[in-house]
Amino acid sequence: SQQGEEDPQALSIQEGENATMNCSYKTSINNLQWYRQNSGRGLVHLILIRSNEREKHSGRLRVTLDTSKKSSSLLITASRAADTASYFCATDEAADSWGKLQFGAGTQVVVTP
Amino acid sequence: ETGVTQTPRHLVMGMTNKKSLKCEQHLGHNAMYWYKQSAKKPLELMFVYNFKEQTENNSVPSRFSPECPNSSHLFLHLHTLQPEDSALYLCASSQEQGPYFGYTFGSGTRLTVV
Repeated sequence: SQQGEEDPQALSIQEGENATMNCSYKTSINNLQWYRQNSGRGLVHLILIRSNEREKHSGRLRVTLDTSKKSSSLLITASRAADTASYFCATDEAADSWGKLQFGAGTQVVVTP
Repeated sequence: ETGVTQTPRHLVMGMTNKKSLKCEQHLGHNAMYWYKQSAKKPLELMFVYNFKEQTENNSVPSRFSPECPNSSHLFLHLHTLQPEDSALYLCASSQEQGPYFGYTFGSGTRLTVV
């Protein structure tokens, strides 16, 4: 069953701009993770943020988590054409989903030179 | 490469065929997963193995049969599939099944059922 929902479904920006996408989820979580998928390939793990954390950084990526609103955001700063991909949030539900990630439908990001 | 290898990359099979998908990881991980990715739909978790034991079968039809002979290898045996089973099948692994481990994915097998 789907837990996270990304917004927007699609995003088109120019190189150098920032890209922001959001993820909302329904139940309490242990952690939330973001993944990237290039067309027709496997997913690549970007960042894991635990439920007791509010913000994490990795290079040009910044992830925030607001457990009171059950939402997360992924910011890609100074985007590049190589950032063109689909981005997925995945949640590990706190209840009975021990280590089983539920993925959203993704945000398709296109970065044009 | 990610350290998780899936073969074959592409597979076309008839509805009466029997085939198998293979996943191999060289990361020393103890948990392995099968996901199905259909167009415009979220990834669907199919099966989970932790230390070779199946811990999740997400109501998957019996025409899909997983096998995990050891922590490094995972198979998905397919028989009498339907056209709606056409999808990208992704294998993933993690250090173990638990709340604080990220997954490493393979590149997937693109399955077409004709």
